[in-house]
Amino acid sequence: AQSVTQLDSHVSVSEGTPVLLRCNYSSSYSPSLFWYVQHPNKGLQLLLKYTSAATLVKGINGFEAEFKKSETSFHLTKPSAHMSDAAEYFCVVTPYSSASKIIFGSGTRLSIRP
Amino acid sequence: ETGVTQTPRHLVMGMTNKKSLKCEQHLGHNAMYWYKQSAKKPLELMFVYNFKEQTENNSVPSRFSPECPNSSHLFLHLHTLQPEDSALYLCASSQAPGANTGELFFGEGSRLTVL
Repeated sequence: AQSVTQLDSHVSVSEGTPVLLRCNYSSSYSPSLFWYVQHPNKGLQLLLKYTSAATLVKGINGFEAEFKKSETSFHLTKPSAHMSDAAEYFCVVTPYSSASKIIFGSGTRLSIRP
Repeated sequence: ETGVTQTPRHLVMGMTNKKSLKCEQHLGHNAMYWYKQSAKKPLELMFVYNFKEQTENNSVPSRFSPECPNSSHLFLHLHTLQPEDSALYLCASSQAPGANTGELFFGEGSRLTVL
């Protein structure tokens, strides 16, 4: 069985400070893990993905995530938040072999204070 | 420009109307998906099509009827909807099942309001 838990429904940070969005997963198989971002009134866009290569994954817009198998975590970070980072972020887990088993987290809304 | 285009972007309909949502992808993908996104709820997978064949129907009520005439086009036909069906309907596409199966390409969604 698979599941994904985003530990915070809402995170608020000041512009220029670090961002940490937390994600824990459970998977019976070697998972693929993804982070997507959704800006208001837009579809979801892939930020980054982990597919059993390097455990530290770099994505677009300065985001990165680290796969930690011992902690079953895949937290998303960014050293310095920008106002344009305000959006909803989704952590996603899927087994390597099945398109229909894609599991989305419930989302974390990121707010940026000026 | 995501390569996945959804129309209309906004739709308001009464409970007795019949309307359709359209999705088109220009990425050469073979799998297409309909998702429902409601406020305060996780994203819900509705239907999956691989090579034009429906491979997943997540217990979606029959008032939602999908159609996939070819690998590039996906429709969602709507009839006798309920107010609780108001939501953002997202279309996505991906390569055929296998490597990178979690990598989805989304359209911008169709915002549906049922009165």
